[in-house]
Amino acid sequence: GNSVTQMEGPVTLSEEAFLTINCTYTATGYPSLFWYVQYPGEGLQLLLKATKADDKGSNKGFEATYRKETTSFHLEKGSVQVSDSAVYFCALSQVGGSNYKLTFGKGTLLTVNP
Amino acid sequence: SAVISQKPSRDICQRGTSLTIQCQVDSQVTMMFWYRQQPGQSLTLIATANQGSEATYESGFVIDKFPISRPNLTFSTLTVSNMSPEDSSIYLCSVVDYNEQFFGPGTRLTVL
Repeated sequence: GNSVTQMEGPVTLSEEAFLTINCTYTATGYPSLFWYVQYPGEGLQLLLKATKADDKGSNKGFEATYRKETTSFHLEKGSVQVSDSAVYFCALSQVGGSNYKLTFGKGTLLTVNP
Repeated sequence: SAVISQKPSRDICQRGTSLTIQCQVDSQVTMMFWYRQQPGQSLTLIATANQGSEATYESGFVIDKFPISRPNLTFSTLTVSNMSPEDSSIYLCSVVDYNEQFFGPGTRLTVL
């Protein structure tokens, strides 16, 4: 079945540091890939997505590129801010059938210190 | 974007009892799902809530344990029945609106 493996946290960075959160997946076919973010006390929000190989999703300075050859979708940001402190989830959509059934990674807690 | 509210936001329950979680959306949506996030684990899809018909459950989840209602396009309930400590989790409702999936704030359940 489908699975998502993401970097275990917690990750602690200083403001303006470079961020990478690794995510790899296992799926048959060509799933869509997502990064969701959960800020403290809030619900999950879609951060970015990519629907086919070599697509780059980007939002709020975050980027991730759909790499089919390495089955990866690593999240990056060049300069993190304190406000980026949150839990980040990598996810993929089910291949076939409903395109909205999501398989999630375990989440990575990011803390950015001033 | 769809705005989703859940009630209760959290609860502490005794084993053997049942809890019903409500999910309310501010617009009519076709697709609605229930997820569970166990401590330290990823989110797992429980079922798809179908309006006017029985929910579609994922492997490992059954209707007797997690009965779901979906009386209309803006509302759904998930009941966690005959609870045990293993049911302690965050339960999230999600909907698809304009091809994007939105999540509610979650219900944090602790079973003693």
